[in-house]
Amino acid sequence: IAGITQAPTSQILAAGRRMTLRCTQDMRHNAMYWYRQDLGLGLRLIHYSNTAGTTGKGEVPDGYSVSRANTDDFPLTLASAVPSQTSVYFCASSEVGAVGTDTQYFGPGTRLTVL
Amino acid sequence: GQNIDQPTEMTATEGAIVQINCTYQTSGFNGLFWYQQHAGEAPTFLSYNVLDGLEEKGRFSSFLSRSKGYSYLLLKELQMKDSASYLCAVLDSNYQLIWGAGTKLIIKP
Repeated sequence: IAGITQAPTSQILAAGRRMTLRCTQDMRHNAMYWYRQDLGLGLRLIHYSNTAGTTGKGEVPDGYSVSRANTDDFPLTLASAVPSQTSVYFCASSEVGAVGTDTQYFGPGTRLTVL
Repeated sequence: GQNIDQPTEMTATEGAIVQINCTYQTSGFNGLFWYQQHAGEAPTFLSYNVLDGLEEKGRFSSFLSRSKGYSYLLLKELQMKDSASYLCAVLDSNYQLIWGAGTKLIIKP
């Protein structure tokens, strides 16, 4: 593995179903992020984690949960999917602590459709 | 509130120069990023500015004026592969990235 991987690549989901989007990085970055990207809007932060064992809420956290049991993995769970959660989801990571820069590296994305 | 403004779409000709502007109003400032995103792909890092002035990196340059809350990305010798969206993002006082909606750049032969 090189960088960040996400799974699945795409998914069609019935409303009300539970879904977990997976994200794994092999760069030993401390921080990880989940964004959603919708047409005409900027990337919006859902949840983040500055280090393993800690998580925080972003701009649009409602309906989503995350966990960070170890450095490499940062799954995003939709407990009961709704159509407004149809979006492209990007996972990203960065080496927090590098003073002056916090470049984020993105996974390839998961395209989720909730019907 | 926090706000990042950039044009929705721009068109330029292959071989020409294009400047994509970004203005921002954020709670604090710890740097400004430009990312490139090809359709259907992930954003990739282009540049980072934290001090005023111009940073040049090959065909791409990025400029920052903190007093004006303004940045631009300059692309020279445009190639067809430069057709993409260009995202401006500011690192605020909490070290959270605030993203603009992106500028879709269309390159015509």
